[in-house]
Amino acid sequence: DAEITQSPRHKITETGRQVTLACHQTWNHNNMFWYRQDLGHGLRLIHYSYGVQDTNKGEVSDGYSVSRSNTEDLPLTLESAASSQTSVYFCASSRDRGDSIEKLFFGSGTQLSVL
Amino acid sequence: GQQLNQSPQSMFIQEGEDVSMNCTSSSIFNTWLWYKQDPGEGPVLLIALYKAGELTSNGRLTAQFGITRKDSFLNISASIPSDVGIYFCAGQQTSGSRLTFGEGTQLTVNP
Repeated sequence: DAEITQSPRHKITETGRQVTLACHQTWNHNNMFWYRQDLGHGLRLIHYSYGVQDTNKGEVSDGYSVSRSNTEDLPLTLESAASSQTSVYFCASSRDRGDSIEKLFFGSGTQLSVL
Repeated sequence: GQQLNQSPQSMFIQEGEDVSMNCTSSSIFNTWLWYKQDPGEGPVLLIALYKAGELTSNGRLTAQFGITRKDSFLNISASIPSDVGIYFCAGQQTSGSRLTFGEGTQLTVNP
């Protein structure tokens, strides 16, 4: 079955280190997204991509970057991890930009702790 | 960005009770979605609403698109333990625009 996979499921790192979270989907979806989930804030969009070589900033993009070199993967990089980036990170994908309804399919999440 | 106010923030109910939650905004949305997040998993789409006044059901779940287009409601009838989780509303203002998520309602069902 097609799916969306995030790795690792849990990560502990130190302040200042570079961290990369992986997201891989096998639905051949054009659109991919990264969200962070924090208590009291719900899901906030970090970055998104509509296709290969396309990336866009979301509402909380500072300190994060993404690259889209193929359809299946959208890795999220924390350039210099900060304690404020301790969160649960979700990757999501959707089929086509032309869809009037953005039905997102989410991965299982990565719990990141920055100490 | 646009904000969706979801309430209540948490609910503790007994198995068999009905549940109601809502999502409101000061802005108009063209689409409302309701997601459920099981513990340790990502959100899963439950119901999508496309038109003001629309009422849509998915099993024991019923959601409504508010007439003003600024709110949406989710009802769960005869709750069961597997209903436990976080319920998120999400709104889309225009075709192709990004979803805005509410803060979520944490539901606990006591057997």
